[in-house]
Amino acid sequence: KQEVTQIPAALSVPEGENLVLNCSFTDSAIYNLQWFRQDPGKGLTSLLLIQSSQREQTSGRLNASLDKSSGRSTLYIAASQPGDSATYLCAPLSYNTDKLIFGTGTRLQVFP
Amino acid sequence: DTGVSQNPRHKITKRGQNVTFRCDPISEHNRLYWYRQTLGQGPEFLTYFQNEAQLEKSRLLSDRFSAERPKGSFSTLEIQRTEQGDSAMYLCASSSSTGGEAGANVLTFGAGSRLTVL
Repeated sequence: KQEVTQIPAALSVPEGENLVLNCSFTDSAIYNLQWFRQDPGKGLTSLLLIQSSQREQTSGRLNASLDKSSGRSTLYIAASQPGDSATYLCAPLSYNTDKLIFGTGTRLQVFP
Repeated sequence: DTGVSQNPRHKITKRGQNVTFRCDPISEHNRLYWYRQTLGQGPEFLTYFQNEAQLEKSRLLSDRFSAERPKGSFSTLEIQRTEQGDSAMYLCASSSSTGGEAGANVLTFGAGSRLTVL
């Protein structure tokens, strides 16, 4: 059974800092892993998708890495801004189950 | 195609009433998923369809919950005799099971339907 853990659970930082959000998962037999952003009371916005054959993906100030063998993914946010404040969720898609399993997320607050 | 559409966006109901949510997936997607999310938690899987076939149901989906996808296009999620514990955001997502590594198994989520049971 896939289990996903995200550390830290919450993070509060001043604007401009470079951030590291961690995700670990127990079943490494995955198709891909997605990182999502969720604003309070809203749905999920996909940020980055990493296929199982890839090591990293980049979009603007965001970079996600994947180490499938160790069951880890990391989301890097460069030069954080107040608009980055949200909850960030990671979700691997397992071969065995064909569904995304989510962690509880990292709640990020970036203050001016 | 405007993505995954969910209706209604917000539903307030009294305990014991029935509610139904609708999800319209991306048209070329053959898979459709339902998730539930409560405050402070990540989304939890409820069920998913491939075309019109319901392939898996979570044990979270009690007998008061039923989901259908009659023609392999839109889906409905009905909750009968609602309870306060059903208050949550219900999220729908769709994907394609084909299309090679770049396109397959990439879930796109709708904006969600928030249920409040009084």
